[in-house]
Formats: sequence, C-alpha cells, structure tokens
Amino acid sequence: GDSVTQMEGPVTLSEEAFLTINCTYTATGYPSLFWYVQYPGEGLQLLLKATKADDKGSNKGFEATYRKETTSFHLEKGSVQVSDSAVYFCALRPGAGGTSYGKLTFGQGTILTVHP
Amino acid sequence: DAGVIQSPRHEVTEMGQEVTLRCKPISGHNSLFWYRQTMMRGLELLIYFNNNVPIDDSGMPEDRFSAKMPNASFSTLKIQPSEPRDSAVYFCASSRGLAGGSGKNIQYFGAGTRLSVL
Repeated sequence: GDSVTQMEGPVTLSEEAFLTINCTYTATGYPSLFWYVQYPGEGLQLLLKATKADDKGSNKGFEATYRKETTSFHLEKGSVQVSDSAVYFCALRPGAGGTSYGKLTFGQGTILTVHP
Repeated sequence: DAGVIQSPRHEVTEMGQEVTLRCKPISGHNSLFWYRQTMMRGLELLIYFNNNVPIDDSGMPEDRFSAKMPNASFSTLKIQPSEPRDSAVYFCASSRGLAGGSGKNIQYFGAGTRLSVL
C-alpha cells in the first residue's frame, strides 16, 4: 500500500538557519504530494503541494520539489523564523486509478522548534 | 468562509460513556473525512464520505466507533462505549471532491476535538 516516511524529529534550529525535512514515499502511479503544517492547538493547514513530477510547490518561503526518480518531496526553507515552529506533515494522495481514491496518507510528522 | 467547525473542542469523559463528536464541513464541500491523531500512531484516517455516503470505513478501529452524515452540512463520530485508549485528538476535514488525479481538491481541517477518556 501507499506510505510516506519523514525524517524523525524533533528538529531544533536557530533563527535564520536553513531547514530541510526529508520525505520519501511509496505509491503506484502518479500521486499528488502535499506538505501540511500544524501549529500548536490547531488543525492541519495546507502549506504547499505538487501534482506531477518536477513540479515545485512553494509558499511562505518554503519549497518542495516532486522528484519521481527518488520518490521524494523534501521540504526546504532558506531562513527559518521563530514563527515557523510547528509540526510538519508530508502526505500523498493517489493518482487517477489508485485503489485508495481520495485518501490522504500522512507521514508521522516532524516537530520543528526555532529558537531566537 | 467559516472553515470546518468541530465541537466540542475538548471532551473529558469516563470509561464506558458514550461520546459524540460533531463536524460541520465547509459549505459546498462534498467530501468529509474523520481522522484520529495520537503520539503513538500519528494521524490515521478513520472514515470518509462523499455526497453523504460512506466510501471507506476501513480505518474505523472497531465496532465501538460509528460515523454518520445525515446531510451535507453535518457529521458525527460516535464512540460507545468509550475506553481510555480512545483518548486522542479527532480531526474532521472536508474537500470539494475526491479527484485523486489532481491537486484541486484540497482537504481543509477543523481545529480538532481533544478527547480524554478517564
């Protein structure tokens, strides 16, 4: 079945540091890929997405590129801020013809803490 | 847009009691999802509906759990009887549809219900 594997956290960085959170996936066909963010006490919010190979999703300074050859969708940000402290989830949704139509499969989540 | 609305935000109950969680999806959204989040198991999809019809309930842990969607603007997740291991944050999400082949049908999440079963 489909699966998503994220780098284990927690990740602790100083403000303005470079961030990478690794995400790899297993799926048949051509899934859509997502990064969601969860701030303390809140639900998940979509951060960015990519729907086909080599697409780059970007939002709020975060970027991720859909790499089919390495089945990866790593999240990056060049300079993190204290306000980026949150839990980040990588997720996939099967492509057309997938057996899990409409379902999102999430990674375990990575806790990011940014210190001033 | 008010977003996905869940109630209550917090629920504390005793083992054996019935618990009902409520969700109002975003107006115009035809698909609704119930998730459970725990430290041990992460985020798990319990069940999802399309046009008020349950599509996949394979994630429902056992018969103590049931979910209904009587109309397009309301869904419930019921646990009867509740057990301490049901303690978790339960999220509801909605989307316009289930288009698996594109990124158009984004899932929007509610703020969740934190359930504690003593």
